[in-house]
Amino acid sequence: QSVLTQPPSVSGAPGQWVTISCTGGTSNIGAGYDVHWYQQLPRSAPKLLIFGNVNRPSGVPDRFSGSKSGTSASLDITGLQAEDEADYYCQSYDASLSASVFGGGTKLTVL
Amino acid sequence: EVQLVESGGGLIQPGGSLRLSCAASGFSVSSNYMNWVRQAPGKGLEWVSVIYTGGKTYYSRSMRGRFIISRDDSKNTLYLQMNSLRADDTAVYYCARSLFSDSGTYLAFWGQGTLVTVSS
Repeated sequence: QSVLTQPPSVSGAPGQWVTISCTGGTSNIGAGYDVHWYQQLPRSAPKLLIFGNVNRPSGVPDRFSGSKSGTSASLDITGLQAEDEADYYCQSYDASLSASVFGGGTKLTVL
Repeated sequence: EVQLVESGGGLIQPGGSLRLSCAASGFSVSSNYMNWVRQAPGKGLEWVSVIYTGGKTYYSRSMRGRFIISRDDSKNTLYLQMNSLRADDTAVYYCARSLFSDSGTYLAFWGQGTLVTVSS
């Protein structure tokens, strides 16, 4: 059971928009800690996608955007492309555990 | 260019010990928060441990007391000593360098991972 909760899977057709939620609690996201997102392509190491809730590292397309409100965060992907098919993970810090925590991951399927 | 290269994985019997290494280049491990993250086959990411610049260490509860994170500044290398290994420790182990956001840290750079298989 992950500290941060994500839907196991989402899907969308090319060109469409999908959102992936990440729900935490009062000791992590709700305590004001930032949420970060990672993309893991098949058979590859994870790659940073969004940091500090809303920021994209250089090279990440602006089709990817993040937001945070209360005890939750979301990753939006617009204009879906086949190469976006991957696993997506949210991550934050939990003060009660003194540990970084991940969501369980969401598998994005591009139909 | 930042690079992280893990090594030391392999097949180990239950109850055994293994030491993973992560050779860093392009930056200094002593000046950064450095982490280990693992991923069991077909499962999600699990944070394992972090070592801060001052040497303070933190661990996931399930690994506390069995795993030890350390670094060798002269070799610019991060380590994970894993003891009393169990079958559920089987995973790809990644090292990752943290950077700071306004309220927290994120895993900005990742290695390619090294596979640890615990089995008799």
